[in-house]
Amino acid sequence: DQQVKQNSPSLSVQEGRISILNCDYTNSMFDYFLWYKKYPAEGPTFLISISSIKDKNEDGRFTVFLNKSAKHLSLHIVPSQPGDSAVYFCAASEQGGGADGLTFGKGTHLIIQP
Amino acid sequence: DAGITQSPRHKVTETGTPVTLRCHQTENHRYMYWYRQDPGHGLRLIHYSYGVKDTDKGEVSDGYSVSRSKTEDFLLTLESATSSQTSVYFCAIRRERDQPQHFGDGTRLSIL
Repeated sequence: DQQVKQNSPSLSVQEGRISILNCDYTNSMFDYFLWYKKYPAEGPTFLISISSIKDKNEDGRFTVFLNKSAKHLSLHIVPSQPGDSAVYFCAASEQGGGADGLTFGKGTHLIIQP
Repeated sequence: DAGITQSPRHKVTETGTPVTLRCHQTENHRYMYWYRQDPGHGLRLIHYSYGVKDTDKGEVSDGYSVSRSKTEDFLLTLESATSSQTSVYFCAIRRERDQPQHFGDGTRLSIL
């Protein structure tokens, strides 16, 4: 049973426009959410996170929005750049649960077109 | 870079042989993790450690064991490798609970 879902396997966006990546979760105990970016043959790179006490977190071109009632989060990238082409993973954890690891979605392949 | 080195980066071996993967960190982080990534599954947690000699199982721990005899090294062992363990294995580290995990570049393991 998948607890973190990324329903779009791929997304194509024009350079300079906004990219919106979506993620849904089912486990109401999750209270810490992260986005990672992954290039081929490399490990995931941390992008941005959000705690359940917030509904928005911003870092440069990246903004994460959290809607707890809908169990939904999204990552906005503005403006999109060619180097943003990668696979993006949504991940979640229960911070209060100690050292438990992250639960990941299957990823969305973002393609930025010139 | 997060100061994480995984070795080897690539390995091909035969079914039934033992395999050990190493994760080495220079950050002195308390928490270390092993994940595997397979097509259609994202990353899944195998085992984790919350200190020297303190380890616990993750979602897909069957067929794997781990050891952490010092802070900087976390070993993942496949006692008798099977073809279903062909995967890309990632190590991650974390300083404290409210911090993100940082990943190594992975080990691609093929079991024939």
